[in-house]
Amino acid sequence: DVKVTQSSRYLVKRTGEKVFLECVQDMDHENMFWYRQDPGLGLRLIYFSYDVKMKEKGDIPEGYSVSREKKERFSLILESASTNQTSMYLCASRVHGDGNSPLHFGNGTRLTVT
Amino acid sequence: AQSVTQLGSHVSVSEGALVLLRCNYSSSVPPYLFWYVQYPNQGLQLLLKYTSAATLVKGINGFEAEFKKSETSFHLTKPSAHMSDAAEYFCAVIRGGSQGNLIFGKGTKLSVKP
Repeated sequence: DVKVTQSSRYLVKRTGEKVFLECVQDMDHENMFWYRQDPGLGLRLIYFSYDVKMKEKGDIPEGYSVSREKKERFSLILESASTNQTSMYLCASRVHGDGNSPLHFGNGTRLTVT
Repeated sequence: AQSVTQLGSHVSVSEGALVLLRCNYSSSVPPYLFWYVQYPNQGLQLLLKYTSAATLVKGINGFEAEFKKSETSFHLTKPSAHMSDAAEYFCAVIRGGSQGNLIFGKGTKLSVKP
């Protein structure tokens, strides 16, 4: 079974802090994604990566950056956390392909910025 | 541009009753459509997907969905609701030209009453 592990289930950070959200997958998937989930808004794509050292902006990249130095790990970085970044963050991975293959999600990191 | 609209942010049914969750899509090309489910405190998992092979798609846990091109719909149904079906359900469509990134609907939260 594919396992996507997000390092923290809950995080509380202060405004202005630099925040790292870590995601690791164990199935050698090429594609990895970071989504943000907010009530009434569904899932919105922040960044994705098709392979190591590759990254592309999603729909809401402002205020975020990412790092993919190893195939199994995809990190989301909030350079200077703000209260409007309080949200549930979901990481997902998928084999490389035409999009037909399913996304495998982690259990999410609930980030609160105070 | 591709999009999906889920009608009803909350649906409540009694145990044993029919479940019907509505999804309408907009796509300029034949769409790939998906339903994902999110149980409390978990990430999303794939319920089923439509890839043009058959209009009636069967998924896990007794769910199925029918692709209706004339109605641009992909509604999710289950004949008899179980308490364990209580979750949030997301419809998604592949974004055109994106190598398979998904656009998610805003979600429908299903409650099942005993």
